[in-house]
Amino acid sequence: RKEVEQDPGPFNVPEGATVAFNCTYSNSASQSFFWYRQDCRKEPKLLMSVYSSGNEDGRFTAQLNRASQYISLLIRDSKLSDSATYLCVVKRGAQKLVFGQGTRLTINP
Amino acid sequence: GAVVSQHPSRVICKSGTSVKIECRSLDFQATTMFWYRQFPKQSLMLMATSNEGSKATYEQGVEKDKFLINHASLTLSTLTVTSAHPEDSSFYICSALMGGGNGELFFGEGSRLTVL
Repeated sequence: RKEVEQDPGPFNVPEGATVAFNCTYSNSASQSFFWYRQDCRKEPKLLMSVYSSGNEDGRFTAQLNRASQYISLLIRDSKLSDSATYLCVVKRGAQKLVFGQGTRLTINP
Repeated sequence: GAVVSQHPSRVICKSGTSVKIECRSLDFQATTMFWYRQFPKQSLMLMATSNEGSKATYEQGVEKDKFLINHASLTLSTLTVTSAHPEDSSFYICSALMGGGNGELFFGEGSRLTVL
């Protein structure tokens, strides 16, 4: 079993739709959680950290459920520019990041 | 602008040759850098942790004699793929930790290696 597992995707949704991604992690000692965005053939870029109380950044909302070891990302009013691969990332130990496989999202006009 | 610069962004080499990839932190000192490898449609896999002034720590299954890492200064880490083979073709990405253990991780732009 992979340490971080994500919806395989791909997701194809129309512009303006709301889309949600899920992620589970297996290591209960994981300390920090993130969503990264990766465009094709580019490096990953931090989208947002995920906090236990849930957090929102504009159209993006992240949730964490430590008991279920589950992380989610919700994108509202999706834009064409949101098309990318979204990576669920878990921090293990002081510095190590473990990446999920990623979920590919395509927003259609 | 980028805070971590990686070079070259793309390299094509013949099988059996060695390729060096550089990762530089700009405007900050990075005592720790990380090297990842990403195959098409797969996640980033941590290869090794590069520590300034000491030996790199390799992840299980990564051959340290094949992937040589040198972190000679606080702003530069290099990854050398020795005797490259076609199966080493991949996207190699470095990252640098800013601000200590809880600092943000910044990624280089990545280097796409194609071994013929």
